[in-house]
Amino acid sequence: SAVISQKPSRDICQRGTSLTIQCQVDSQVTMMFWYRQQPGQSLTLIATANQGSEATYESGFVIDKFPISRPNLTFSTLTVSNMSPEDSSIYLCSVERGGAQYFGPGTRLLVL
Amino acid sequence: KNEVEQSPQNLTAQEGEFITINCSYSVGISALHWLQQHPGGGIVSLFMLSSGKKKHGRLIATINIQEKHSSLHITASHPRDSAVYICAIGGSQGNLIFGKGTKLSVKP
Repeated sequence: SAVISQKPSRDICQRGTSLTIQCQVDSQVTMMFWYRQQPGQSLTLIATANQGSEATYESGFVIDKFPISRPNLTFSTLTVSNMSPEDSSIYLCSVERGGAQYFGPGTRLLVL
Repeated sequence: KNEVEQSPQNLTAQEGEFITINCSYSVGISALHWLQQHPGGGIVSLFMLSSGKKKHGRLIATINIQEKHSSLHITASHPRDSAVYICAIGGSQGNLIFGKGTKLSVKP
């Protein structure tokens, strides 16, 4: 199994500011995934973060808006830059281990 | 067209009822996942299936690979089962591709 923590658990931010979300895993993993869940919607993959290389972004997501760091095999950050109300979502990190998926508790972001 | 389709979108049941949630997908897969998301947002993995049937407590998941269809059943439903149930298939990078979820509400 894998235990994942995220910080912050929630935040309220002003338009135009940036927020960095941290994701910590209790053991080493090769790939970490960042998802967004907009209100009433399902989860959408933002990017895949591998240690030692640049993150791979899905269509519709760009590095300037969602820069990701992956400094080691247990930690990653996702920054939501220049926020607008449309960025209000739950952001979750996830890892895969042995075919099973494990999720962090999520960061609930509200942009005013 | 979404790769993963779930039905129903919303489901209300009385405590004790037998519940079925359906999932269809359009691509070949190696595994299908059923997940549970509670109102606070946290997601828990319930099952990972590649064939046949799995059972855990009152939850049963089945998959028919040829028909590209899976079902999640809850027997003797209870108000604490109220949550969003999500079907997901494996993506190319080890990520998941999610259905839109089924919001279940079980009334006492």
